[in-house]
Amino acid sequence: DIQMTQSPSSLSASVGDRVTITCQASQDISDYLNWYQQKPGKAPKLLIYDASNLETGVPSRFSGSGSGTDFTFTISSLQPEDIATYYCQQYDNLPRALTFGGGTKVEIK
Amino acid sequence: EVQLVESGGGLVQPGGSLRLSCAASGFTFSSHSINWVRQAPGKGLEWVSYISSSSSTIYYADSVKGRFTISRDNAKNSLYLQMNSLRAEDTAVYFCARGLTLLRYANLKYWGQGTLVTVSS
Repeated sequence: DIQMTQSPSSLSASVGDRVTITCQASQDISDYLNWYQQKPGKAPKLLIYDASNLETGVPSRFSGSGSGTDFTFTISSLQPEDIATYYCQQYDNLPRALTFGGGTKVEIK
Repeated sequence: EVQLVESGGGLVQPGGSLRLSCAASGFTFSSHSINWVRQAPGKGLEWVSYISSSSSTIYYADSVKGRFTISRDNAKNSLYLQMNSLRAEDTAVYFCARGLTLLRYANLKYWGQGTLVTVSS
């Protein structure tokens, strides 16, 4: 099975800061990677699909990049409403197991 | 508007059984593959199971294989998860989730609100 290693597990940043989260796959997954945002008590929300495509209605301060095994998720200017946990998810071996990263909790400093 | 509404969660003893349901509306349910994803309290997301639109293809996570059974009734626009031989580690919020489009079934755009399953004596 493909393993997804996400880092850091948590971070604290100031409003307006650039925030970067990384996700590493245990094998080449091309660009078959999604990024989700989850707020407490809520279902996850799809932000980025195919590694770099912004889902409709998602603010442009969110972006994703990477291919193969190494991926990056960026918030260009952190806003108070971005406080949440972010997850990467691979879908290279469809329709078998979808694998999520361990999550990154983003807090305001 | 696409809606997914889970139900059937609750408290069950170890070794017991529970059947979750996911009622779908706002789209052609019979055309879409659906996934179950769970989240243990304070933990991350874990994919549980997948079922194709016609039920011809089904997959399970190793952690639930042999104990859980996914099924669907396209006439009732409903998805199910029969959970048997439940363990404490199955305690989680269970979500049903649909993809962006028919082909993009792993880009999980639509989620239910989740239903909590607690396995405890």
